[in-house]
Amino acid sequence: KAGVTQTPRYLIKTRGQQVTLSCSPISGHRSVSWYQQTPGQGLQFLFEYFSETQRNKGNFPGRFSGRQFSNSRSEMNVSTLELGDSALYLCASSARQGTNYGYTFGSGTRLTVV
Amino acid sequence: QQPVQSPQAVILREGEDAVINCSSSKALYSVHWYRQKHGEAPVFLMILLKGGEQKGHDKISASFNEKKQQSSLYLTASQLSYSGTYFCGTRGSNTGNQFYFGTGTSLTVIP
Repeated sequence: KAGVTQTPRYLIKTRGQQVTLSCSPISGHRSVSWYQQTPGQGLQFLFEYFSETQRNKGNFPGRFSGRQFSNSRSEMNVSTLELGDSALYLCASSARQGTNYGYTFGSGTRLTVV
Repeated sequence: QQPVQSPQAVILREGEDAVINCSSSKALYSVHWYRQKHGEAPVFLMILLKGGEQKGHDKISASFNEKKQQSSLYLTASQLSYSGTYFCGTRGSNTGNQFYFGTGTSLTVIP
């Protein structure tokens, strides 16, 4: 059974640019969540999607957006990149919405903004 | 609202035991525990649900005190493979609100 796949693994972008990250959940998993991980802030919640609907959103500016497709694949977009957006972005999938089910994480996308 | 974990870091010798605590200022519905090794993604260990306790592994277990809004992870007879950063994750209800990860505890097991 394939795990959670995130692409690309590494990205280098310039300030002001925008970026799109992709996440393919485990087959059959309909819930996808996104997290930003930095050494100083730890794991910060970005979004949670279930059945193409955003169920929860973290405390991030509107430059951060996401969506989920009918096949449960998800993308997140960051516009007008800032240096502080440099981080590891992790996607996690779960069989169903709700915290009764554990999350399986992808390997992440390492974004560096220069 | 981010749960606070203690200790921040701990160093153990193989075979020793450790306890990692996770404390929230909000009422909890469930608590997750994850371990992340350096350069890798977090790996799910176990869930503890309100009104019950669930053990995920033989030598790694956890408790959930709903009234105190706390959870503890117990690692017994630690092995080198236990090294990593441990995170708790909490949410106040099943599907609502955000899912918060704790501040993390770095655990190092040495021979």
